[in-house]
Amino acid sequence: QLQLQESGPGLVKPSETLSLTCTVSGVSINNGDYFWAWIRQPPGKGLEWIGSFYYTGITHYNPSLTSRVTISIDTSQNQFSLNLNSVTAADTAVYYCARHLRPTGIYWGQGILVTVSS
Amino acid sequence: DIQMTQSPSTLSASVGDRVTITCRASQSISSWLAWYQQKPGKAPNLLMYKASSLESGVPSRFSGSGSGTEFTLTISSLQPDDFATYYCQQYDDYPLTFGGGTTVEIK
Repeated sequence: QLQLQESGPGLVKPSETLSLTCTVSGVSINNGDYFWAWIRQPPGKGLEWIGSFYYTGITHYNPSLTSRVTISIDTSQNQFSLNLNSVTAADTAVYYCARHLRPTGIYWGQGILVTVSS
Repeated sequence: DIQMTQSPSTLSASVGDRVTITCRASQSISSWLAWYQQKPGKAPNLLMYKASSLESGVPSRFSGSGSGTEFTLTISSLQPDDFATYYCQQYDDYPLTFGGGTTVEIK
């Protein structure tokens, strides 16, 4: 059964870099079955797509975040990661890792709350 | 970016009611629309994809329709487990975008 699990620090200081990892089990992330994505949800608010990565290197980022975000893959660990730099309180959110590929929709990890605070 | 607008933002209903949620796209997205259900403290869960295809394991009281710019999610007979927030999402083009959500509350 395919599962995704987020990990990383729950507290990040303003102006620093938020780094999260998603560990995938049940399928190899470089077999071409899915795009691998990060999505976030500020407390009490809606959903914001951050970016998606395909194993061939194709990457799409949200234009509102593209200057601060990098998604990368570690095929040896079957993981993919999110780096978001120069964070502010507005980056406080639950961060989800996810998989998607047409024609179906998004399948989500359980999420991890990251708070930006000094 | 393709903007997704959901209505209403909040809906009060009773068990057994027929409920309809609308999602409008700012441009045509063909049928590349998904619906998700989210309960407090949980990740969203895929209900429908390609506008009208029911995800495996989702009760048949859920149905979706529409194409182009106008879409609906219908719950034929609201059950206690259905009180939650629902989001639509377009995947016709990047950036992927979501509607603002519709919270279905107990009347």
